Amino acid sequence: DTGVSQDPRHKITKRGQNVTFRCDPISEHNRLYWYRQTLGQGPEFLTYFQNEAQLEKSRLLSDRFSAERPKGSFSTLEIQRTEQGDSAMYLCASSARGPDTQYFGPGTRLTVL
Amino acid sequence: AQSVSQHNHHVILSEAASLELGCNYSYGGTVNLFWYVQYPGQHLQLLLKYFSGDPLVKGIKGFEAEFIKSKFSFNLRKPSVQWSDTAEYFCAVKSSGGGADGLTFGKGTHLIIQP
Repeated sequence: DTGVSQDPRHKITKRGQNVTFRCDPISEHNRLYWYRQTLGQGPEFLTYFQNEAQLEKSRLLSDRFSAERPKGSFSTLEIQRTEQGDSAMYLCASSARGPDTQYFGPGTRLTVL
Repeated sequence: AQSVSQHNHHVILSEAASLELGCNYSYGGTVNLFWYVQYPGQHLQLLLKYFSGDPLVKGIKGFEAEFIKSKFSFNLRKPSVQWSDTAEYFCAVKSSGGGADGLTFGKGTHLIIQP
């Protein structure tokens, strides 16, 4: 399968714990995006990388959230000191350079107890 | 800031009925427009997109959408729906003039097709 992959697919954690999600984009896609989707809502943009550079961050990305893409390939999204309000589906997407289509992965569903 | 409004949150149709899902966006500059679909248990997939040129765009599975710039609209249509079209449909917009690269999505329309 050559699509966007995300790991894990599901994560259950207790409030206050740290969690980390991984996204592997389509190979040779230099742009990578993170979104969050809660029930009954469309995906909301969190942050965007072009290669290893983080070029854009939404105001939704609080200080407890950090994203990296160290070698311009896979990316990680870490949430520190999780809160119940962080429960959501976290989506990753990638696109080729230029104004291109974003291809989405299956998402990581986070449940914070 | 950009925003997208999808007027119908839930739509129920019978097979072979015609479909039109409304999408309006708010943004002053030039835009790229998208419709994504999420089938039950699957991830978001692109149905169709508009970047420039002919405002009537055709996508997969018989879907089409028309960009009407004066109305800030990008409505999705299909002349005859099938049971397999049951899914969540999302309209999205992105500035095409550089700068912000993230997509702004609407809240989605849950479409149920009854056999």
